Amino acid sequence: DGGITQSPKYLFRKEGQNVTLSCEQNLNHDAMYWYRQDPGQGLRLIYYSQIVNDFQKGDIAEGYSVSREKKESFPLTVTSAQKNPTAFYLCASSTEQGNSPLHFGNGTRLTVT
Amino acid sequence: SQQGEEDPQALSIQEGENATMNCSYKTSINNLQWYRQNSGRGLVHLILIRSNEREKHSGRLRVTLDTSKKSSSLLITASRAADTASYFCATDASGTYKYIFGTGTRLKVLA
Repeated sequence: DGGITQSPKYLFRKEGQNVTLSCEQNLNHDAMYWYRQDPGQGLRLIYYSQIVNDFQKGDIAEGYSVSREKKESFPLTVTSAQKNPTAFYLCASSTEQGNSPLHFGNGTRLTVT
Repeated sequence: SQQGEEDPQALSIQEGENATMNCSYKTSINNLQWYRQNSGRGLVHLILIRSNEREKHSGRLRVTLDTSKKSSSLLITASRAADTASYFCATDASGTYKYIFGTGTRLKVLA
């Protein structure tokens, strides 16, 4: 079955540590996205990538970094510079063509103490 | 920047009733999409309406789009307890693949 896999589902880290969230898709989609969701809130765009080896900042990129070395993979690193990293992180993908829906993973809940 | 704003923020109805939620956005768009999210899960795509379309149906879902008012509505007819979830609209700024989500409507359907 095609889909997006995010791992792990739950992640706990100490303040000051960098942490990398995994996102893999086997849908052959060109575009991939990272969103952050805080309790009771909507989704805010962190980074997106339309093609391998290229990515753009979203609305809240500070304190985050990404890479897109392979079409299937778009890992997100939450750095120690991110002031409030505890949140629910969602990865999504879509075909490069416009007017196409986003396919989401089931998210990673990150808790930093 | 939050492109979309849904209202109401929360909605509670009885099973069998219709549920209507609204979305407003700020800039020109190529399309508007509606998604559903069950608690603690990823979002699931429900329906996409293009900027040149005014109405679209999918099963018990009906979506309208008014580009002059920069607004859309999602109607769920004959609601079921299983429809309990949060519903989000998402828009793409014209010419980009940058999808921006609204704040969501939390729907509770009482059995």
